[in-house]
Amino acid sequence: GAVVSQHPSRVICKSGTSVKIECRSLDFQATTMFWYRQFPKQSLMLMATSNEGSKATYEQGVEKDKFLINHASLTLSTLTVTSAHPEDSSFYICSARGAFNQPQHFGDGTRLSIL
Amino acid sequence: GNSVTQMEGPVTLSEEAFLTINCTYTATGYPSLFWYVQYPGEGLQLLLKATKADDKGSNKGFEATYRKETTSFHLEKGSVQVSDSAVYFCALSDRYNNNDMRFGAGTRLTVKP
Repeated sequence: GAVVSQHPSRVICKSGTSVKIECRSLDFQATTMFWYRQFPKQSLMLMATSNEGSKATYEQGVEKDKFLINHASLTLSTLTVTSAHPEDSSFYICSARGAFNQPQHFGDGTRLSIL
Repeated sequence: GNSVTQMEGPVTLSEEAFLTINCTYTATGYPSLFWYVQYPGEGLQLLLKATKADDKGSNKGFEATYRKETTSFHLEKGSVQVSDSAVYFCALSDRYNNNDMRFGAGTRLTVKP
């Protein structure tokens, strides 16, 4: 089946550091990629949607300058959390979709801990 | 807007018990419906899906039927195992809304031996 690889799986860093998370579709071309944030014991909150070669569309309340998204190719999207602070600590999950009517396939998530 | 309402958990069952997790939806168009499973510390895995009314999705002993008349997509399994312990998310994707996916709140299932 479709495979999405997310890296790193866990990051622990100091406040003020910028952290980049990669999301790759390994065996299909991902026209659209999605970035979610999940708080403990809660559902997924969509942060942004990105189409290859276009600027990401952010959900209301998500800071564009804080969460930089790049989707430069059909197999790779990156999320950069700039100048991370403890309140940015969370579980971030990406997903990718090929054709418009296909389901999303999810990465294994990245647990980000800011000290 | 589109939304998914899912049975609140947590749900605790003994091994071999019957499982039902309720899910209802609200959508303006003709959504596709999904169940995803999330094991501890991992991302989401697609469990099953149904793309039109009366379709039944099934996988690994789980099944769910797309009921348009009751706007429901309840997840069922006849005999759960300890390895089924996870969080289950109901979701919909509406092609008239850019196919953006909306998730329910998730239901945590714990199966005890």
